[in-house]
Amino acid sequence: QVQLVESGGGVVQPGKSLRLSCAASGFNFSTYGMHWVRQAPGKGLEWVSVIWSDGNNEYYADSVKGRFTISRDNSKNTLYLQMNTLRAEDTAVYFCARDRRYSYAGGLDYWGQGTRVTVSS
Amino acid sequence: DIQMTQSPSSLSASVGDRVTITCRASQTIHNYLKWYQHKPGTAPKLLIYDASVLQTGVPTRFSGGGSGTDFTLTISSLQPEDFASYYCQQSFSIPLAFGPGTKVEIK
Repeated sequence: QVQLVESGGGVVQPGKSLRLSCAASGFNFSTYGMHWVRQAPGKGLEWVSVIWSDGNNEYYADSVKGRFTISRDNSKNTLYLQMNTLRAEDTAVYFCARDRRYSYAGGLDYWGQGTRVTVSS
Repeated sequence: DIQMTQSPSSLSASVGDRVTITCRASQTIHNYLKWYQHKPGTAPKLLIYDASVLQTGVPTRFSGGGSGTDFTLTISSLQPEDFASYYCQQSFSIPLAFGPGTKVEIK
């Protein structure tokens, strides 16, 4: 069965970096687009980033552009999110999710349970 | 960027009620509209894609409609497990965007 397991969350000081990972199993990882979505405390879902199945296209929300980098290793069935220059407003639960298609337009049909990131001094 | 709005932001309903949630896009998104259900502490669940197509395994009491800028999610007979937050999402253009959500609570 499809499984997505995030890791790498934790407490980090403002201005520091963190890298999240999402281990995928149960499907052909290299043929699906993958997303990161976050939910700040008491807030709704916010789309963060997407990377196409082949890794050749990536897009970001304005709120993280220039600070976050999405990547994937199809040989390891793993998705990453490198988060630099973290801010208090980046505090959230971060979910990885699979797109139904190779790009970004199909809908997010499988999600991980999320990993919590807290940015605080 | 395309902005998404939802109404109402919350509602109280009873088991068996018919519930309709509305989602509006700031410009046409054709049928690139998805609906998700989210319960606290769990992974969100895709209910409907392409505005009206039911995701595999989702009960038929859920239905979606609309195109262009105005969309609806209807639950024909609310069940205890349906009390959750519901989000629409546009996937017509980058940046993708979720609506602010609608919380469905027990009356």
